[in-house]
Amino acid sequence: RKEVEQDPGPFNVPEGATVAFNCTYSNSASQSFFWYRQDCRKEPKLLMSVYSSGNEDGRFTAQLNRASQYISLLIRDSKLSDSATYLCVVPRGGSQGNLIFGKGTKLSVKP
Amino acid sequence: DTEVTQTPKHLVMGMTNKKSLKCEQHMGHRAMYWYKQKAKKPPELMFVYSYEKLSINESVPSRFSPECPNSSLLNLHLHALQPEDSALYLCASSPLADTGELFFGEGSRLTVL
Repeated sequence: RKEVEQDPGPFNVPEGATVAFNCTYSNSASQSFFWYRQDCRKEPKLLMSVYSSGNEDGRFTAQLNRASQYISLLIRDSKLSDSATYLCVVPRGGSQGNLIFGKGTKLSVKP
Repeated sequence: DTEVTQTPKHLVMGMTNKKSLKCEQHMGHRAMYWYKQKAKKPPELMFVYSYEKLSINESVPSRFSPECPNSSLLNLHLHALQPEDSALYLCASSPLADTGELFFGEGSRLTVL
């Protein structure tokens, strides 16, 4: 299994749709996980941190399944502005400063 | 607006040039990072500084030389680069090096001719 693996997409969804991305990780000792979003030709920006079973922030919900070693990101009521690449990030080998970025899942929300 | 400032935003250099990328943050963060990102690829870690000391060097070629003059500044000195080094170079900071919650600058887009 790769250290961090994501479905590259693209996910093309209409406005208002609910969409979910999965990310699998190989290091069972990982304790924290992160979702970043990156707009085209922009820097990554932290979207959510996951330290326990999950986290919710408005329309965004992240869930962690330690048994199956994956985290998911659910976006409800998609907006055009949600169009971006979503990067799953996991610390390497327990070292928080050394992060592994997944290749990202591209989301395109259409009117 | 990002609170991590990178200069220059764009840089074109020849393979024999020496140039530097600069990064500054005033959030009081004690960890600073350099990442390299090629088109349609995820960011790849190059260096981590924690309390102004180099703590992680991801086997980066010596033609890239980092420097951390103080807790707010991070430089990346470039010398004898190759065309394949053309990429977006991202600086980031975090309160400490034991978090995955990074604040990125807008990046310096480097082209090596």
